[in-house]
Amino acid sequence: EAGVAQSPRYKIIEKRQSVAFWCNPISGHATLYWYQQILGQGPKLLIQFQNNGVVDDSQLPKDRFSAERLKGVDSTLKIQPAKLEDSAVYLCASSLVVGSYNEQFFGPGTRLTVL
Amino acid sequence: KQEVTQIPAALSVPEGENLVLNCSFTDSAIYNLQWFRQDPGKGLTSLLLIQSSQREQTSGRLNASLDKSSGRSTLYIAASQPGDSATYLCAVKVAGKSTFGDGTTLTVKP
Repeated sequence: EAGVAQSPRYKIIEKRQSVAFWCNPISGHATLYWYQQILGQGPKLLIQFQNNGVVDDSQLPKDRFSAERLKGVDSTLKIQPAKLEDSAVYLCASSLVVGSYNEQFFGPGTRLTVL
Repeated sequence: KQEVTQIPAALSVPEGENLVLNCSFTDSAIYNLQWFRQDPGKGLTSLLLIQSSQREQTSGRLNASLDKSSGRSTLYIAASQPGDSATYLCAVKVAGKSTFGDGTTLTVKP
């Protein structure tokens, strides 16, 4: 079974530029998560999708971050404009369905450096 | 708001030692608790998932326990090996949302 795919793996941009990350979840997984992981900290949930609908985006900085999951499969996360404090690893995860008994499986992440 | 704490932040042990990593959480009304391993520059690998109705789960040299009433989980690693060196994170799920601790970085010295 193929795992969660993410691209690019690394990205370096200047502040105020825009950037987009892509995620392809495990086939058949209805729930998709985007996390931000700052160095030395645990991942923080940014947004959670169930199929192509948003379940939770309470911690997404909506003035600069946006995400979509068209057709309930792939997802993109965009930052526009980027700030220095956005430097982090952006992790995508998926699970079969939202709910209590489902394991999350993570992709390798995209490491973003904002200069 | 759920808070998850992992102490210590770092741990160094000689090869072959048995060790315990700790995870504590403030809201005991959890659905499940998941332990992950993260190698430098990599994503998270799921190790064990404990449902709220369970007390422990085992996989090979790993054993995770859950005590909801006290808000604690432990990850026991038997006969540690240098390949076990990594950061170990716990995540607590409540109402479909996971909250992570900041992890314990384990170094196993040959």
